Amino acid sequence: SAVISQKPSRDICQRGTSLTIQCQVDSQVTMMFWYRQQPGQSLTLIATANQGSEATYESGFVIDKFPISRPNLTFSTLTVSNMSPEDSSIYLCSVVGLAEYEQYFGPGTRLTVT
Amino acid sequence: SQQGEEDPQALSIQEGENATMNCSYKTSINNLQWYRQNSGRGLVHLILIRSNEREKHSGRLRVTLDTSKKSSSLLITASRAADTASYFCATDAVAAGNKLTFGGGTRVLVKP
Repeated sequence: SAVISQKPSRDICQRGTSLTIQCQVDSQVTMMFWYRQQPGQSLTLIATANQGSEATYESGFVIDKFPISRPNLTFSTLTVSNMSPEDSSIYLCSVVGLAEYEQYFGPGTRLTVT
Repeated sequence: SQQGEEDPQALSIQEGENATMNCSYKTSINNLQWYRQNSGRGLVHLILIRSNEREKHSGRLRVTLDTSKKSSSLLITASRAADTASYFCATDAVAAGNKLTFGGGTRVLVKP
């Protein structure tokens, strides 16, 4: 399985600011996704990170709030813009490897907005 | 709403006992995956079962899938304190392109 790292692992941010989260995979993968896990909740898909093109967002999530980049097959970033306390969550990237069905998750970024 | 729903929401057992949790979903799927999450950390992939499979084993884990009932179960045998975690099922629906929909999760507490 792929080894996935995320930076930062956690952060405390002021409302109104933005935070960019990085996701790095140690091998080429076909699909990369970003999920959000609000406190005490399950995971919700934010978007599919498409290599070299705009991300595909799920209902309720928009590019202005969660801009995503994926410049190559092993790296992606998610920015949480103009943060409010409601954005306090764990943000996780996930990948599906080549010729695989299993989806693997990074360690997550725990974001607290004050 | 989440496609997957899990029950029970919480489970408390003694070490050595078996733990069973169930997952139901609503639409046709390609695969169903089970994950473990310890204390709000990242998700650990446990097992994937395909829609044409009925049962799968991995160590102390046994997963079943009943596509006619749109349900799956995860059994952890001879539980250990280290199995204390939240367990999630996730499905990727047909034509959804690997996008996962998660159940609400089952919080398992294994008491030593």
